[in-house]
Amino acid sequence: EVQLVESGGGLVQPGGSLRLSCAASGFTFSSYSMNWVRQAPGKGLEWVSYISSSSSTIYYADSVKGRFTISRDNAKNSLYLQMNSLRAEDTAVYYCAREGLDWPTFDYWGQGTLVTVSS
Amino acid sequence: DIQMTQSPSSLSASVGDRVTITCRASQSISSYLNWYQQKPGKAPKLLIYAASSLQSGVPSRFSGSGSGTDFTLTISSLQPEDFATYYCQQSYSTPPTFGQGTRLEIK
Repeated sequence: EVQLVESGGGLVQPGGSLRLSCAASGFTFSSYSMNWVRQAPGKGLEWVSYISSSSSTIYYADSVKGRFTISRDNAKNSLYLQMNSLRAEDTAVYYCAREGLDWPTFDYWGQGTLVTVSS
Repeated sequence: DIQMTQSPSSLSASVGDRVTITCRASQSISSYLNWYQQKPGKAPKLLIYAASSLQSGVPSRFSGSGSGTDFTLTISSLQPEDFATYYCQQSYSTPPTFGQGTRLEIK
């Protein structure tokens, strides 16, 4: 069974930093590209970042470029999101999502971790 | 960025009804269109990929159609567990973008 479990969320002040983790199990993590997608309270879904299986290709949404860094450790079956210079508008539930192998889609999602940026 | 627009934004329907949700892309995306279902407090779940392919384990009452700029998600006979919010998403180009969501409520 595919499982994605996020952790690391919490309350942080504006300008602060936070590192999210996503532990993967039930599939060959090193074969799949991964994504972070967020959802502000009561709002829709917003893609944040993508990393290929070997970390050779990385993309960011314009809204987080230069502040967030995606990475992965295939030996630990883990995905990360380092978030710096956090703003109130970064407040959201952050989901890690697996990219489909045969078609570009988010085929499995974690349960999400809440990040609240507030003073 | 490609803009995705869903209609309606909300919809009231009864168990057993046939429901259709529409998604329009701001430019042609071929068949690079996916549909997700999200229930309150839960993660989204993939229903349909490539505009019309049913994800494994998803009931056959869900179907998708369309190509280019106009797409539809149809639920043939609503079940109580189908009341949720539905999102379309384009995977034609980066950044992937979502529609604003359609909230399906019980009448």
